[in-house]
Amino acid sequence: GQNIDQPTEMTATEGAIVQINCTYQTSGFNGLFWYQQHAGEAPTFLSYNVLDGLEEKGRFSSFLSRSKGYSYLLLKELQMKDSASYLCAVRVENSGYALNFGKGTSLLVTP
Amino acid sequence: AAGVIQSPRHLIKEKRETATLKCYPIPRHDTVYWYQQGPGQDPQFLISFYEKMQSDKGSIPDRFSAQQFSDYHSELNMSSLELGDSALYFCASSLDRDRDGNEQFFGPGTRLTVL
Repeated sequence: GQNIDQPTEMTATEGAIVQINCTYQTSGFNGLFWYQQHAGEAPTFLSYNVLDGLEEKGRFSSFLSRSKGYSYLLLKELQMKDSASYLCAVRVENSGYALNFGKGTSLLVTP
Repeated sequence: AAGVIQSPRHLIKEKRETATLKCYPIPRHDTVYWYQQGPGQDPQFLISFYEKMQSDKGSIPDRFSAQQFSDYHSELNMSSLELGDSALYFCASSLDRDRDGNEQFFGPGTRLTVL
């Protein structure tokens, strides 16, 4: 299996920047995904990394270091609607392309 | 744009009953995945289908089975339901799984409650 670790909870202020870390241990790494999930709703895709480096999409950026088994999701200019759970998921070769999710980080954005 | 459709959205069953969940992937998507998410838990992969053939199995109990039909919709059949089966069941679909990136699009989920 894959060990995927994320902080359980984080709190940040509206307008600020927050970084959510994810570490993983896996063989046959084939990509890392970040999803956002509001309570009781479907996960929605945020970003994908398969090579080392930073991927930027608007207010969201994601970084990957394969040698360190480490990724982070960076959220800028936080808005109240960003309060949600953020799921780090790893895809592994020879797994039918299924996603292995971490426990998720519950982010609370305060005024 | 069309999204993944799941039905029913909510389902209440008694222990030992059966349930069938349906998933209609985004048109032209060739791969369907089923995930189970218990309360406060992360989604757990159950099973996937690629071009109507079973692609991979995750932590799907033997009491559950699934298939993908000629129109690419998929059904998850659950028998001898247990209290622990109460969860959100998500279906996700993707296009061309061999393409780099291969984002999975999730449906709204079916909330199953077993009493």
